[in-house]
Amino acid sequence: NAGVTQTPKFQVLKTGQSMTLQCAQDMNHEYMSWYRQDPGMGLRLIHYSVGAGITDQGEVPNGYNVSRSTTEDFPLRLLSAAPSQTSVYFCASSYSWPTARSSYNSPLHFGNGTRLTVT
Amino acid sequence: GESVGLHLPTLSVQEGDNSIINCAYSNSASDYFIWYKQESGKGPQFIIDIRSNMDKRQGQRVTVLLNKTVKHLSLQIAATQPGDSAVYFCADQGAQKLVFGQGTRLTINP
Repeated sequence: NAGVTQTPKFQVLKTGQSMTLQCAQDMNHEYMSWYRQDPGMGLRLIHYSVGAGITDQGEVPNGYNVSRSTTEDFPLRLLSAAPSQTSVYFCASSYSWPTARSSYNSPLHFGNGTRLTVT
Repeated sequence: GESVGLHLPTLSVQEGDNSIINCAYSNSASDYFIWYKQESGKGPQFIIDIRSNMDKRQGQRVTVLLNKTVKHLSLQIAATQPGDSAVYFCADQGAQKLVFGQGTRLTINP
């Protein structure tokens, strides 16, 4: 079982370059999300999607774009990389997600991350 | 806004001892909590969850306790082993948003 697969594992970019971080899951999960993890900051939500064709912003969306054309894939695009985007990025998926009326009642499945350095 | 915080950023225990990792949350309406384990170079991995209609839940060598009165939960690991070395996160997966704590790094001394 592959679970959540992220590529690449490592990436170095120069300021101003663009790139796409790939994420794919094979569990038929409707909910997918991107987090960044920085020392002392924990996990912060960038963007999320509750199904194909539906995306929304999380806590720190600036500088990132997402799209969800299929249930399986949820790529994260950096439009013009900045040193502040140096981080470890995690993609996560889940069977269900929180709404205004109900809590999130299944755990997230995380990929193994992409370590991005912007110089 | 909501927050989740762990009491200690690091915890060091002897192999074979029990470990207790604590977490506090701020949202009294939160009703679902999860503990994740993150090993070096990997993504967080689900350990155990608990809903607010429970105050205790047990898994294999792990127990989660929830005290809603003081908005506190803890993760207990019995007979800690070298493979338990990791960063442990609690997460408040309540309505509308997810909130993660910053993690406690558990180190096992031989």
